[in-house]
Amino acid sequence: EVQLVESGGGLIQPGGSLRLSCSASGFSVSIYYMNWVRQAPGKGLEWLSVIYSGGSTYHADSVGGRFTISRDNSKNTLNLQMNSLRAEDTAMYYCARGSPGLQAFDIWGQGTMVTVSS
Amino acid sequence: QSALTQPASVSGSPGQSITISCTATSSYVGSFDLVSWYQQHPGKAPKLIIYEDTRRPSGVSYRFSGSKSGNTASLTISGLQAEDEADYYCCSYVGSSSWVFGGGTKLTVL
Repeated sequence: EVQLVESGGGLIQPGGSLRLSCSASGFSVSIYYMNWVRQAPGKGLEWLSVIYSGGSTYHADSVGGRFTISRDNSKNTLNLQMNSLRAEDTAMYYCARGSPGLQAFDIWGQGTMVTVSS
Repeated sequence: QSALTQPASVSGSPGQSITISCTATSSYVGSFDLVSWYQQHPGKAPKLIIYEDTRRPSGVSYRFSGSKSGNTASLTISGLQAEDEADYYCCSYVGSSSWVFGGGTKLTVL
């Protein structure tokens, strides 16, 4: 079964760091463009980051310089390193597979919640 | 405020058709391209229902259809059913390896 499962969320103080992981099954993360998307409580979706099959990475301006997307092909896992966290980073974080064939995010994980608060 | 504007809410009765618009505003910079639509039920992850403006993934009901004209994309749901009650988001590839989502529309089935 094609599936994404996120982990690593939790409560973190402002200014702290957190590393999210997304474990994939049923496909290889190395051949798709993999993404992170977040959703603040009661708000809409916000695209954050992408890593292409070739390894190139891009981030939204709102998180550039603080968040870093990466992947571990040996573990078939996508990661998001989040530094200098702020209260406004509080959200559900989803990993999503980007399908070159569909040019859309076709598989989503269930999300992991990050709460930034003192 | 998203650069892609959607109505905050729409509603319809079972069996009716509704349309949700997604408009690229003047603050939208980049291409309005490869629009996709996502359905999200409360507490659940989004689900892809339309890609490349008009195409429907395998397994998605024929009742969902997409269109695009100029700077506005639209999602139409025909034959409304209670299970269609959810939030709907449009998404566009902006260019330079970035995407933007619309603000979302809450669909209520009366």
